[in-house]
Amino acid sequence: QKEVEQDPGPLSVPEGAIVSLNCTYSNSAFQYFMWYRQYSRKGPELLMYTYSSGNKEDGRFTAQVDKSSKYISLFIRDSQPSDSATYLCAMSDGSEKLVFGKGTKLTVNP
Amino acid sequence: SAVISQKPSRDICQRGTSLTIQCQVDSQVTMMFWYRQQPGQSLTLIATANQGSEATYESGFVIDKFPISRPNLTFSTLTVSNMSPEDSSIYLCSVTTGASTDTQYFGPGTRLTVL
Repeated sequence: QKEVEQDPGPLSVPEGAIVSLNCTYSNSAFQYFMWYRQYSRKGPELLMYTYSSGNKEDGRFTAQVDKSSKYISLFIRDSQPSDSATYLCAMSDGSEKLVFGKGTKLTVNP
Repeated sequence: SAVISQKPSRDICQRGTSLTIQCQVDSQVTMMFWYRQQPGQSLTLIATANQGSEATYESGFVIDKFPISRPNLTFSTLTVSNMSPEDSSIYLCSVTTGASTDTQYFGPGTRLTVL
């Protein structure tokens, strides 16, 4: 079992839809959870950063962490074509080493 | 955050040759890392570049294949040695700024194709 599992998609939605992206993990030591957005031919850009369980909201983006289920989610409200990118989840046990999912490719159609 | 640049942005190389990738940051950072991103695979940490000392390599990566330098707090290089087609990948450097050891910022990447 891989440490972090993420459905690679691709995921295609119409503009304005609510998007749900998810990752599961197996290492209960993970405490720090991140979502990165990566546009084609660009480096990953930090989108959301969460410590331990709970929700965090930033504009149209909401990150949720459920440590009891070892499950994290990223919700995008009112999705826009500019949200089209690959979304990577990443997590850490507090060391500097990040463990990434494979990424989910999202396309938002106008 | 930090502004990170990488050179070259892309290259096509012949089997058996070596390529050195540069990572430059616009401010002093605490830690610098090198990752590999292969198609359909997770971002994988190659090594942590330590300023003034040898890099710390992850399992499966060795210094002879991926020598790394970090002469100061804003610059690092990764060399991919004796390349084979299996080394075709995107190579990314990342940094932490000291605000949190887990907040990493990435450079734009170097897209390497080995023929």
